[in-house]
Amino acid sequence: DAGVTQSPTHLIKTRGQQVTLRCSPKSGHDTVSWYQQALGQGPQFIFQYYEEEERQRGNFPDRFSGHQFPNYSSELNVNALLLGDSALYLCASSLVGPRTQYFGPGTRLTVL
Amino acid sequence: AQSVTQLDSQVPVFEEAPVELRCNYSSSVSVYLFWYVQYPNQGLQLLLKYLSGSTLVKGINGFEAEFNKSQTSFHLRKPSVHISDTAEYFCAVSDRTGNQFYFGTGTSLTVIP
Repeated sequence: DAGVTQSPTHLIKTRGQQVTLRCSPKSGHDTVSWYQQALGQGPQFIFQYYEEEERQRGNFPDRFSGHQFPNYSSELNVNALLLGDSALYLCASSLVGPRTQYFGPGTRLTVL
Repeated sequence: AQSVTQLDSQVPVFEEAPVELRCNYSSSVSVYLFWYVQYPNQGLQLLLKYLSGSTLVKGINGFEAEFNKSQTSFHLRKPSVHISDTAEYFCAVSDRTGNQFYFGTGTSLTVIP
């Protein structure tokens, strides 16, 4: 049973560009959450998707947007990249409700 | 909203010695509590969780944690650490909806041979 997978593993972009990160949830999971983990920090919640809708959003600007597909996979889009967006982006999947979140290995984004 | 404070950013400990990693939380509602471990260049792996019931929770790799509601704490313990326990440890809290997790800033555990 495959766990949470994310692609790509690493990504290098320049300021002002746009980026799309992808996540496939653990089999049977219907909820996907995205987190940003800056170097030396804990993960910060970006948003959560369930039934193709954004259920909850953390304190991130509108440059961060997402999408969930009918097969529960998800994308995170970041527009107008800033140097401060450099981080490890983690995807977590779970069943809806107060359930354990299972994390993927992350995508390391570097903005130059 | 909830918040988590991990009181120690770095904890060095000798191999086979006991260790305690401290976590305090703040919340106006009932919460669920979690400990995750992160090895270098990897995602987070669940160690243990408290949802309800017994306040002493046992997890993987010999770790356990105790939920103390009066002190709003959820400290992680292991009676005898191994070199392989060297990693970053994160405490997390969510409300009963589970829609959003709040993580602490992490504790770096280094096991010294």
